[in-house]
Amino acid sequence: NAGVTQTPKFQVLKTGQSMTLQCAQDMNHNSMYWYRQDPGMGLRLIYYSASEGTTDKGEVPNGYNVSRLNKREFSLRLESAAPSQTSVYFCASSGLGLAGRTGELFFGEGSRLTVL
Amino acid sequence: AQTVTQSQPEMSVQEAETVTLSCTYDTSESDYYLFWYKQPPSRQMILVIRQEAYKQQNATENRFSVNFQKAAKSFSLKISDSQLGDAAMYFCAYRKGAGGTSYGKLTFGQGTILTVHP
Repeated sequence: NAGVTQTPKFQVLKTGQSMTLQCAQDMNHNSMYWYRQDPGMGLRLIYYSASEGTTDKGEVPNGYNVSRLNKREFSLRLESAAPSQTSVYFCASSGLGLAGRTGELFFGEGSRLTVL
Repeated sequence: AQTVTQSQPEMSVQEAETVTLSCTYDTSESDYYLFWYKQPPSRQMILVIRQEAYKQQNATENRFSVNFQKAAKSFSLKISDSQLGDAAMYFCAYRKGAGGTSYGKLTFGQGTILTVHP
């Protein structure tokens, strides 16, 4: 059971470069999310997709774009990376049974991004 | 907006002892869910325990239990018989209930680093 898979696991960028973080889930979940984790700030929601075909801004969306490619895949794009976007990024999904009712999130392993 | 506060940046415990991690939250909602997630050095986020606000009974999962005080908006995690493998960052999280646009959107606290001493 792969669960939530995100790539790449590590990436180093220069200021101004662009990149896309890929995320896929095989649990048939409706909803997917991108969070960033920074020291002392916990996890903050960047964007989410409640269902296929919809996306919405979270708490910290500036500098990011997302695409819900299909029910399985949800990508996060940095168009012009900035040092402030150095962080660990997590993709997550939710959606079925008891876990879906409570909104429990299933997370990928995280992607560490460094912007120089 | 809902906020979640973990006032203990770091905690430590001796192996086999009990430790309690604190969490408070602010909400005007009556229907919501609370979670504790564990993040070991591997970085993987692992659900430890969940609590549904409408349930008065405190949730328990093996050595992990919560003290849910709805009126005080407090949600602490108690780890009994601590093990070396419990060493991790622990996050408290809140989600408004009733689905809709808040479906699955969790608000996290700042995290508490737990060290377990042998």
